[in-house]
Amino acid sequence: TQLLEQSPQFLSIQEGENLTVYCNSSSVFSSLQWYRQEPGEGPVLLVTVVTGGEVKKLKRLTFQFGDARKDSSLHITAAQPGDTGLYLCAGEGGSNYKLTFGKGTLLTVNP
Amino acid sequence: GAGVSQTPSNKVTEKGKYVELRCDPISGHTALYWYRQSLGQGPEFLIYFQGTGAADDSGLPNDRFFAVRPEGSVSTLKIQRTERGDSAVYLCASSLGDENTEAFFGQGTRLTVV
Repeated sequence: TQLLEQSPQFLSIQEGENLTVYCNSSSVFSSLQWYRQEPGEGPVLLVTVVTGGEVKKLKRLTFQFGDARKDSSLHITAAQPGDTGLYLCAGEGGSNYKLTFGKGTLLTVNP
Repeated sequence: GAGVSQTPSNKVTEKGKYVELRCDPISGHTALYWYRQSLGQGPEFLIYFQGTGAADDSGLPNDRFFAVRPEGSVSTLKIQRTERGDSAVYLCASSLGDENTEAFFGQGTRLTVV
């Protein structure tokens, strides 16, 4: 069974601060996806990383896939209240194309 | 439609009753997934369809849960003899399929068993 552990589980920060959230596993994933989910909505895909060591940027968000493709991080620069939400990572682990999700990091950015 | 559509958005049912939850995926998406999300948790995999067939149903918790996708488009998740522990948000997602697993989610159906 492939498990993804996300940390921290909860994070509350002030507007303008930087933060990093982590997604770790003992398993190797073919690809890893990051989603953001707001209350009452389904998760929305932010990015997919495929290659070990890959770094992708989406405005103030920077995503990194570990060299061994077992872990990933999401760094947000100068957080804004609109960044508030549940950040989920999901790994795709092989030929069955099934996504395994972590429990998420609930981020609150206070104005 | 432009996105994944799930109906109903909310369902309250009595313990022991049968419920059906519907998912209308993005047109052209061959892969369809059902997940269940409890409060404070990430989505938990239930079943994955590639076309009409269930390619992986290893996440279905027991034989009270069943899902179909008869024409390779709309899918229905069926729960028999509902229990209070079945209360959760049921999420459906679709993707292009094959090697493309980027999933687009619906807004979910919140099921409450009383």
